[in-house]
Amino acid sequence: AQSVTQLGSHVSVSEGALVLLRCNYSSSVPPYLFWYVQYPNQGLQLLLKYTTGATLVKGINGFEAEFKKSETSFHLTKPSAHMSDAAEYFCAVDSSASKIIFGSGTRLSIRP
Amino acid sequence: DTGVSQNPRHKITKRGQNVTFRCDPISEHNRLYWYRQTLGQGPEFLTYFQNEAQLEKSRLLSDRFSAERPKGSFSTLEIQRTEQGDSAMYLCASSSRGDGYTFGSGTRLTVV
Repeated sequence: AQSVTQLGSHVSVSEGALVLLRCNYSSSVPPYLFWYVQYPNQGLQLLLKYTTGATLVKGINGFEAEFKKSETSFHLTKPSAHMSDAAEYFCAVDSSASKIIFGSGTRLSIRP
Repeated sequence: DTGVSQNPRHKITKRGQNVTFRCDPISEHNRLYWYRQTLGQGPEFLTYFQNEAQLEKSRLLSDRFSAERPKGSFSTLEIQRTEQGDSAMYLCASSSRGDGYTFGSGTRLTVV
């Protein structure tokens, strides 16, 4: 069975500071991994994805994530937070060739 | 093709009434998914289609829920005899394998 755990339901950082959102997954086969962002009252937008190949994946809006198989992790980072980054972020895994399973989300707040 | 379209955006209904939501996916995507999202939670998988075939249904999808995708194009999700616990955001997404999902903006259902 596949599952996703996001550590920290709420993360708050100062504008310009490093953003780190943590995600660990469970999968019996090599997974596809995703990060999505959701703004209030909107659907989810794909930030980045890992399928195969390079383990450091770059996405939109300056975000990147690194797949670490030994740690079963796929943490999301951004070197310098911007006010517009405030949103809900979801990590997701697809290892069944059928559906994506989402974590419970991390709400990112940015302090001026 | 501008993305995944969901209608209506909002629906308020009285308990016991039936409601139907529509999703128009990206035309070249053969997979279509329905998810449900409640406040503060990640999306929960309901069901998915590959072309017109419904390949998997979650245990969350009670007998009051039914989904169709005639001719492998648009899809409808019907909820019969709505209950207050059905209040949620219903999200539709479409994909080709491994590309990640493209989500619609969702239909917010409120049962009063």
